[in-house]
Amino acid sequence: AQSVSQHNHHVILSEAASLELGCNYSYGGTVNLFWYVQYPGQHLQLLLKYFSGDPLVKGIKGFEAEFIKSKFSFNLRKPSVQWSDTAEYFCAVTLYGNNRLAFGKGNQVVVIP
Amino acid sequence: GAVVSQHPSWVICKSGTSVKIECRSLDFQATTMFWYRQFPKQSLMLMATSNEGSKATYEQGVEKDKFLINHASLTLSTLTVTSAHPEDSSFYICSANGEGNTEAFFGQGTRLTVV
Repeated sequence: AQSVSQHNHHVILSEAASLELGCNYSYGGTVNLFWYVQYPGQHLQLLLKYFSGDPLVKGIKGFEAEFIKSKFSFNLRKPSVQWSDTAEYFCAVTLYGNNRLAFGKGNQVVVIP
Repeated sequence: GAVVSQHPSWVICKSGTSVKIECRSLDFQATTMFWYRQFPKQSLMLMATSNEGSKATYEQGVEKDKFLINHASLTLSTLTVTSAHPEDSSFYICSANGEGNTEAFFGQGTRLTVV
């Protein structure tokens, strides 16, 4: 079964610091990749997604992610975080043509003003 | 973006009773909906896929007789936790995909506490 790995569950950093969250998946076929964010008390929201094409994907709020097929990775980055980026971030994968999402365990990110 | 609404947001019930959770797509038709369960400090675990007009598909290890799913219309799926026990206490989240739309939209979740 496909699995998704996220490391460093708790991340604490100061405003203006750079953020990178790792995501690795285990499935060897064609996949669709997602990063979701859950702000305190709110729904899960889509940050960005990769289906095909340019492996560097830009999402909302200054986030970007890079798909590296050879490494089975889809790492999320933001060059300069803000206090409002405090949230939980989930990486998720679906198989091509299948909408069933497999989630990683999430990264709890706390940005200190 | 599309909106998915879950009701109730939280519910407390007595052990042995049943609880129904609704998931509605408010501004689009959802041919497929998904139900997830999230334990504290853990990821979302897919419980089942709900398909409009047909039986739900359950993930391995999920008891279909305990977690009844009905998707009677293109905008509504319900999850009924039957004969609830304290170990069923959890955060349940639904998501919906429109036809041909591979992006999932999530409800706000339902916190179930069984006492």
